[in-house]
Amino acid sequence: GNSVTQMEGPVTLSEEAFLTINCTYTATGYPSLFWYVQYPGEGLQLLLKATKADDKGSNKGFEATYRKETTSFHLEKGSVQVSDSAVYFCALSSTGGGNKLTFGTGTQLKVEL
Amino acid sequence: IAGITQAPTSQILAAGRRMTLRCTQDMRHNAMYWYRQDLGLGLRLIHYSNTAGTTGKGEVPDGYSVSRANTDDFPLTLASAVPSQTSVYFCASSDFTNSPLHFGNGTRLTVT
Repeated sequence: GNSVTQMEGPVTLSEEAFLTINCTYTATGYPSLFWYVQYPGEGLQLLLKATKADDKGSNKGFEATYRKETTSFHLEKGSVQVSDSAVYFCALSSTGGGNKLTFGTGTQLKVEL
Repeated sequence: IAGITQAPTSQILAAGRRMTLRCTQDMRHNAMYWYRQDLGLGLRLIHYSNTAGTTGKGEVPDGYSVSRANTDDFPLTLASAVPSQTSVYFCASSDFTNSPLHFGNGTRLTVT
């Protein structure tokens, strides 16, 4: 079946540091890949997505590239801010699965001054 | 404001009691979903509905039931709550095409 593996957190960074959160997946066919962000007390919001191999999703300074050869979709940001503190979830939707998403376990990011 | 409304925000429930979590969306999305969020496990799909009048089982459906009488509402019922159902429950919706999910703010349920 489908699965998503994320690096465990929490990840603690200083403001303006470089961020990488690793995500790898197992899926049949050609899934679409997503990063969702959850701020404290809120539901998840879509951060970015990629629907085919070599696509790069980007939003708010975050980027992730769909790497089929390594089955990865790592999230990166060049300079994090305190306001980026949140929980980040990698997810996939499989071919023919509609929009039913399989989520990773989430990675908590804490950015300090 | 368009979006998803979940109620209640939080609830403490005695084991064995029946409970319905409410979810309403005003975006006229075809599909709706219920997820539970547990520490270390991420979000797991409980039930889903691709369109009004249809429902399907997700990854962890046991102990839960849903109905989809119309496009806007997708209630989740726990017929007889057990402590392992203590969790944060999120309702979500989307167009049936490959579009992102919109999430509500969640219901924090504690079963004692």
